[in-house]
Amino acid sequence: GAGVSQSPSNKVTEKGKDVELRCDPISGHTALYWYRQSLGQGLEFLIYFQGNSAPDKSGLPSDRFSAERTGGSVSTLTIQRTQQEDSAVYLCASSLDGPAPLHFGNGTRLTVT
Amino acid sequence: GQQVMQIPQYQHVQEGEDFTTYCNSSTTLSNIQWYKQRPGGHPVFLIQLVKSGEVKKQKRLTFQFGEAKKNSSLHITATQTTDVGTYFCAGVPGNQFYFGTGTSLTVIP
Repeated sequence: GAGVSQSPSNKVTEKGKDVELRCDPISGHTALYWYRQSLGQGLEFLIYFQGNSAPDKSGLPSDRFSAERTGGSVSTLTIQRTQQEDSAVYLCASSLDGPAPLHFGNGTRLTVT
Repeated sequence: GQQVMQIPQYQHVQEGEDFTTYCNSSTTLSNIQWYKQRPGGHPVFLIQLVKSGEVKKQKRLTFQFGEAKKNSSLHITATQTTDVGTYFCAGVPGNQFYFGTGTSLTVIP
């Protein structure tokens, strides 16, 4: 079966522009997570969706960041007015339910020039 | 707030030597998971530990969960070049994952 799919794989954007990152989780997985990983660093939690519950947005670094998950499946992470410090790899992961093992996508490498 | 600390941050070993990384949580966990990230890749799930004092083995890898369910370790016996990567623990107190900072392992042939 297909794994977690993320698009685009690479995104270069100019400072101040908005970007949208997409995540297609594994079919049937109710939990979906977004993480950010800067070069050589650990995983920074951004946001967590579980079924139809309200998302846990506690990791979003600023109000320029938002995410939605439509129909309990595909998720989009939007970064408005991008800044150079937003440059990182954005990883999406899904799991059968909250504490089950995570399946990560290949990530989107975002570069803000 | 919830914190998961992992040490060491970096480890260089000669091929054939053993390697251990340690993970400590500030609070009791319902389970702990370990992931491996190869250079340029994404984290891949290795194992989940749930019971207090649990020990699990995968070939040359041994995973332990502390009696208090607040710490864990990953030990690799006789490292090989294929073991290169960053090993992350993830503490799970509820439905949220708290990743450690990772241990980057370099194996010198």
